Amino acid sequence: DTEVTQTPKHLVMGMTNKKSLKCEQHMGHRAMYWYKQKAKKPPELMFVYSYEKLSINESVPSRFSPECPNSSLLNLHLHALQPEDSALYLCASSQEGQTIQETQYFGPGTRLLVL
Amino acid sequence: QKEVEQNSGPLSVPEGAIASLNCTYSDRGSQSFFWYRQYSGKSPELIMSIYSNGDKEDGRFTAQLNKASQYVSLLIRDSQPSDSATYLCAVRGQNFVFGPGTRLSVLP
Repeated sequence: DTEVTQTPKHLVMGMTNKKSLKCEQHMGHRAMYWYKQKAKKPPELMFVYSYEKLSINESVPSRFSPECPNSSLLNLHLHALQPEDSALYLCASSQEGQTIQETQYFGPGTRLLVL
Repeated sequence: QKEVEQNSGPLSVPEGAIASLNCTYSDRGSQSFFWYRQYSGKSPELIMSIYSNGDKEDGRFTAQLNKASQYVSLLIRDSQPSDSATYLCAVRGQNFVFGPGTRLSVLP
């Protein structure tokens, strides 16, 4: 099973709303990632969790707040977003996040629209 | 200089032809190289990974790596219309970095 699941598939929110994106994997992976992808652009890394600890934060604005409750779950809490934050948000996981040959497996993404 | 570069395309090939996708990278310490396929509106899907110089074949796909030239490529033999997608090169060195992607169009 190489499946990473994400919910919701689509999300529309206003700039004053608070919402959360959820990601789950049951492959026993210990590293999980959030990426943001705008149209016709490659994915951009936002956060990396390794063994449930935040290991990389790519200077992401504080209106995005990640959380890793356990090794299978990764959340992204959203608050006071801007219209330019509208994008496809991708979650990925890999075995440990520290091995050079690791492969990242991607979830289907959440398409976010901020009005 | 961008860390990972690809021709944006579109690259158009006729059905049954060989499609050749190229990628160059700047970090000489990079150790792992990946090709992902992404259909419009979908998430990236791993096609191939390669870690050593030379060729690696998997079905209709062949990845080629030349670390001295900092160059990795993907060949798709007997291209099918269903291969039409954006192909992302990803390189793992100090960080995991995606290239901008090459859009491939296979014409029936």
